[in-house]
Amino acid sequence: DTGVSQNPRHKITKRGQNVTFRCDPISEHNRLYWYRQTLGQGPEFLTYFQNEAQLEKSRLLSDRFSAERPKGSFSTLEIQRTEQGDSAMYLCASSSGRAPETQYFGPGTRLLVL
Amino acid sequence: DAKTTQPPSMDCAEGRAANLPCNHSTISGNEYVYWYRQIHSQGPQYIIHGLKNNETNEMASLIITEDRKSSTLILPHATLRDTAVYYCIVRVFNNAGNMLTFGGGTRLMVKP
Repeated sequence: DTGVSQNPRHKITKRGQNVTFRCDPISEHNRLYWYRQTLGQGPEFLTYFQNEAQLEKSRLLSDRFSAERPKGSFSTLEIQRTEQGDSAMYLCASSSGRAPETQYFGPGTRLLVL
Repeated sequence: DAKTTQPPSMDCAEGRAANLPCNHSTISGNEYVYWYRQIHSQGPQYIIHGLKNNETNEMASLIITEDRKSSTLILPHATLRDTAVYYCIVRVFNNAGNMLTFGGGTRLMVKP
């Protein structure tokens, strides 16, 4: 396994701009999760995919957030019209889906909205 | 998923065993105990999981009490690189996708 990769690792943007993050899961992992982590807190669930289907979304995922996994492999998370409150670490995790499920995390993308 | 309680912080001397406790008194029969850790500015790292038997891997040992209401993660010979926040998470065992619910975790400081 090459591990979960995320790009970019850091992103600084101005309020109101759109940003997109990419996650490449471990090969052949059919489940992919997005989490958000603010300073001093544990990660919080945002959404997850089984193959290309987005099966669950948290209430944290406002209308400005959209996630896709078009071919069931990599995923993108887009934030439109960023706000300063969006500043956080965005984490991606993947799993094979075999019970008991173990999720493996990527290094995260740290977003700073000025 | 059942709620977990962990001490907010612990210290451990380098080379000694680090024993990190976790209470999960409302755990149900189909819930596993998972441990993750997060080193500063990195993504969480999976350590180990168990249902009711004690488990050991190359990273750590997991001791679950017979009534399953608490568990202890043991790092047998802690190094400075083990300094991290350790999260104990309880998750139901099924085949559905399930989010991980992270609590506050235990901040372990390994000192020379």
